[in-house]
Parts: sequence; structure tokens; C-alpha cells
Amino acid sequence: DAGITQSPRHKVTETGTPVTLRCHQTENHRYMYWYRQDPGHGLRLIHYSYGVKDTDKGEVSDGYSVSRSKTEDFLLTLESATSSQTSVYFCAIRPTGDNTEAFFGQGTRLTVV
Amino acid sequence: GQQVMQIPQYQHVQEGEDFTTYCNSSTTLSNIQWYKQRPGGHPVFLIQLVKSGEVKKQKRLTFQFGEAKKNSSLHITATQTTDVGTYFCAGRGGATNKLIFGTGTLLAVQP
Repeated sequence: DAGITQSPRHKVTETGTPVTLRCHQTENHRYMYWYRQDPGHGLRLIHYSYGVKDTDKGEVSDGYSVSRSKTEDFLLTLESATSSQTSVYFCAIRPTGDNTEAFFGQGTRLTVV
Repeated sequence: GQQVMQIPQYQHVQEGEDFTTYCNSSTTLSNIQWYKQRPGGHPVFLIQLVKSGEVKKQKRLTFQFGEAKKNSSLHITATQTTDVGTYFCAGRGGATNKLIFGTGTLLAVQP
């Protein structure tokens, strides 16, 4: 498996609290993505990064922010968690190139109560 | 924005039966990728198609990319219990680096 680690793996938090999920890679890949997975919706893109300090919104970015200050780390922050953000979050990395495959982390299960 | 839909959402088959999932994009794709996610796991890359009308095979799996590069299909011949999981298509539209995934098809195989 590609060198990609998500932390934490599981988290329970209360509504209204801030939460930060971390994605760490050792592959030096250019692109990093955050997805959420919910039944019936597949994998929906939240935000992605195409370089250090270069990020863009995905399909469901409201309520989320991201930062990438180093190549290896891509942080996803829920400024004020809501129950609708209960989900499984996946980070993915992809090398430079138009036709390169994505490698996924193990996922983070987040529950907002 | 770009949307990618898959049908069916769920399919239950008897072992040995064939299975097909279809992927449709609202926009023309630069390429189409297919991933498999085992229950409790993370998506894993299977294959990529780039050319219009391209067909690729991996053992019992056959992948097609439509002529207009807006749709794709995955066909599994003679399913086995090891084929269980969710199959996703994913694509990039035009010059964007957004990798948009389809809604997925969950395949259940009964022995």
C-alpha cells in the first residue's frame, strides 16, 4: 500500500466543536483529496490540493476548510461540527500526471453527536 | 458541476452469474478509472481507460469506455464470492484535477 496515513481513525465529537482530520503521505505525490462516503452517495469530493498552499473546492465543501502547508500533510477542518457531517472520511493521493491512479488512506469514521 | 452516476446502486447475484455496472457522466471525461472497495476497506484502483471506445480485460472483468467518453461499464463474468464489494468509477473532466467518483454499485454474491 502507498504510504498514506489518516488520523485519527475514529472520533466522536459534539455538535458545535471544531474537528481536524489529518492526512499524511510519504510518497511526495502532488495531488491530495478529501472525500466523504455516505450510503447512497458514493464518494463525494470535499476539497483537493494540487500543491503546497494550492487548494480548491469540491462538490460538498460547505462547512469544511483545508490547509496544506507541507507536501506531506493535508488537513481537513470542520469549523463547527454538525450531525450531517457524521460520515467516513477518506484521503487520497495521486502522483503528477493526467492519467495517474489515486491511492486511498484507511479512512476516518467521524460521529457528531 | 460534473456529476457521475452509477446504476444499479445494489445488485445481488448467485455465484456464477454475470454482473454489470454502468457509469454515466454529465460531462466528457479525460479518462475513466475503476476502483473496488471491499466491505470495511478503502477503495483500491483496478484499471484506467483513456481512449474513446477502449475495451480492457482483467481476467473475468471487462471494462469499456464509451465513444463519447461520457459513459463506461464494468462487466464481471461468472461472479465469485471474492468479487463482493462496491465498485466505483471515477473521472476527471477536461483540464480539472478534480477526481469525481460515481455513486458506486454494491455487489453481493451468494454462494
